[in-house]
Amino acid sequence: RKEVEQDPGPFNVPEGATVAFNCTYSNSASQSFFWYRQDCRKEPKLLMSVYSSGNEDGRFTAQLNRASQYISLLIRDSKLSDSATYLCVVNLVYGGSQGNLIFGKGTKLSVKP
Amino acid sequence: DAGVTQSPTHLIKTRGQQVTLRCSPKSGHDTVSWYQQALGQGPQFIFQYYEEEERQRGNFPDRFSGHQFPNYSSELNVNALLLGDSALYLCASSFTPNTGELFFGEGSRLTVL
Repeated sequence: RKEVEQDPGPFNVPEGATVAFNCTYSNSASQSFFWYRQDCRKEPKLLMSVYSSGNEDGRFTAQLNRASQYISLLIRDSKLSDSATYLCVVNLVYGGSQGNLIFGKGTKLSVKP
Repeated sequence: DAGVTQSPTHLIKTRGQQVTLRCSPKSGHDTVSWYQQALGQGPQFIFQYYEEEERQRGNFPDRFSGHQFPNYSSELNVNALLLGDSALYLCASSFTPNTGELFFGEGSRLTVL
């Protein structure tokens, strides 16, 4: 089983739609979680950290379910500019160094007019 | 405030050759990590440098080596290039070794023929 699994997509949605991405991780000792965004042929950029209580940043909401080893990202009111690949990232160690960061393959989102 | 800068942006090499990639971290960051990203995959951790030492290493052969300079900039060297080394090489910097909040450069796209 892969350490971090994501649906590769692509998710094709119209502007204004709500879209949800899921991510599962295999190591129950995983301690911290992140979503990164990567535009086509560009570098990944941190979108948001994921906290146990869930957190929201504007149109973006991240949720964590430790019991199910599941992370989600919800995007409301999708914009054309949200088109990108969304990478789920898990750190195996709390406050651990980057060697413990595991990136998923990413889920591609395409928002259409 | 300059972000993470990498050079060169693109390069083409032939099998057996050697390559050196360079990275300057974001201002105020002292930790540099290198990642390899193959097409359609998430970034894979190569190694991390902090205080001019390799602190952690991923599952990459000894052909991959690096260095960090007193000004925190870093180099990635790959010897005896293989076709499978063709990828986007990303440098990421952070203000501490123990964080999942990374700032990536735009990458160096290496093609091995």
